[in-house]
Amino acid sequence: GGIITQTPKFLIGQEGQKLTLKCQQNFNHDTMYWYRQDSGKGLRLIYYSITENDLQKGDLSEGYDASREKKSSFSLTVTSAQKNEMAVFLCASSMGDTAEQFFGPGTRLTVL
Amino acid sequence: SQLAEENLWALSVHEGESVTVNCSYKTSITALQWYRQKSGEGPAQLILIRSNEREKRNGRLRATLDTSSQSSSLSITATRCEDTAVYFCATDNMGYKLTFGTGTSLLVDP
Repeated sequence: GGIITQTPKFLIGQEGQKLTLKCQQNFNHDTMYWYRQDSGKGLRLIYYSITENDLQKGDLSEGYDASREKKSSFSLTVTSAQKNEMAVFLCASSMGDTAEQFFGPGTRLTVL
Repeated sequence: SQLAEENLWALSVHEGESVTVNCSYKTSITALQWYRQKSGEGPAQLILIRSNEREKRNGRLRATLDTSSQSSSLSITATRCEDTAVYFCATDNMGYKLTFGTGTSLLVDP
């Protein structure tokens, strides 16, 4: 078994601030993902990384940067926090394409 | 782009009853996955059903897939309070990206 750890669990920032969310996995999975989940809505893909040093844009990448520092970690940066970005950000990993994705517990972002 | 969506926003059943959540999608797929998300947690996969499969079971869970009508269902028998969660379907088409539906919220009353 393995686990995905997301830090911090709660993140409070000011509008316009640059904020970084971190994700670590010990599954030894190649692929990692960042999703945004708004209240009562489905998951929208922000960025994903097929392997270390790879970066692919998802459907919602504008306003975000991502970094795959090593195989086990994947960071997401909100470049300029906006009030309408209050959401839960979920990190996931998988062995490869069409495979089960394993999710972390999420980081809840609040922008004041 | 593909769209996957569950047909009902919310359901409520009494413990012990059976319930079915439905999902429809717009384009051809390689596989469809069902996930469950409990409050405060990330989603967890329940069943993966490939496009050449018509039915898949996992304990009290049964998923069906009808590629001709582009629809899937997830049935839960003998529901328990701990089945209370949001249920998502997610589709993929030969790639790394999954398209998630908006989810059906299931409440199981004791």
